[in-house]
Amino acid sequence: DIQMTQSPSSLSASVGDRVTITCQASQDISNYLNWYQQKPGKAPKLLIYGASNLETGVPSRFSGSGSGTDFTFTISSLQPEDIATYYCQQYDNLPYTFGQGTKLEIK
Amino acid sequence: QVQLQESGPGLVKPSETLSLTCTVSGGSINSYYWSWIRQPPEKELEWIGYIFYSGSTNYNPSLKSRVTISVDTSKNQFSLKLSSVTAADTAVYYCARGKEGPDFWGQGTLVTVSS
Repeated sequence: DIQMTQSPSSLSASVGDRVTITCQASQDISNYLNWYQQKPGKAPKLLIYGASNLETGVPSRFSGSGSGTDFTFTISSLQPEDIATYYCQQYDNLPYTFGQGTKLEIK
Repeated sequence: QVQLQESGPGLVKPSETLSLTCTVSGGSINSYYWSWIRQPPEKELEWIGYIFYSGSTNYNPSLKSRVTISVDTSKNQFSLKLSSVTAADTAVYYCARGKEGPDFWGQGTLVTVSS
């Protein structure tokens, strides 16, 4: 299985801050990477697909980049409603696998 | 707007079979892939498997010997069966539309394995 490693595991930031989360795959996955947002008690929500494509309806402050093994997820200006856990997920090889998550909190 | 709703027992005894159904409303089950994903308490997400509306499936090898996903297009439903469950199968189970990047998800249902 492809291992997905996210960092940091938790992050505290202020409203308006630029926030960056990284995800590293254990092998080359091209750009077959998604980013999800999960709020407490809710299902994950797809934000970014294909490493850098914004899902319809998702605010433009969210973005993704990278290819191969190293990927980055960025919130350009943190908003209070962005408090959640964020997960990366590869879909290059079965079984599809997720990162361990990054819990984002407001400072 | 497509909506998905999981249903089934919230408590299953060890060694028994976990059975869940996902009912799709607001759209047809035809022409799409449908997935099951689970999340143990305080842990990351785990992909279980998916089914195409025609019935073809793909499962996580770690669960393959115990998992069956089926579809009933006449009822706009698809189902998950996981046999010989243990405490390690305790999780919130989600159904979702799509396989590589599910775009619509159910709210999730907690299934606890305990005697």
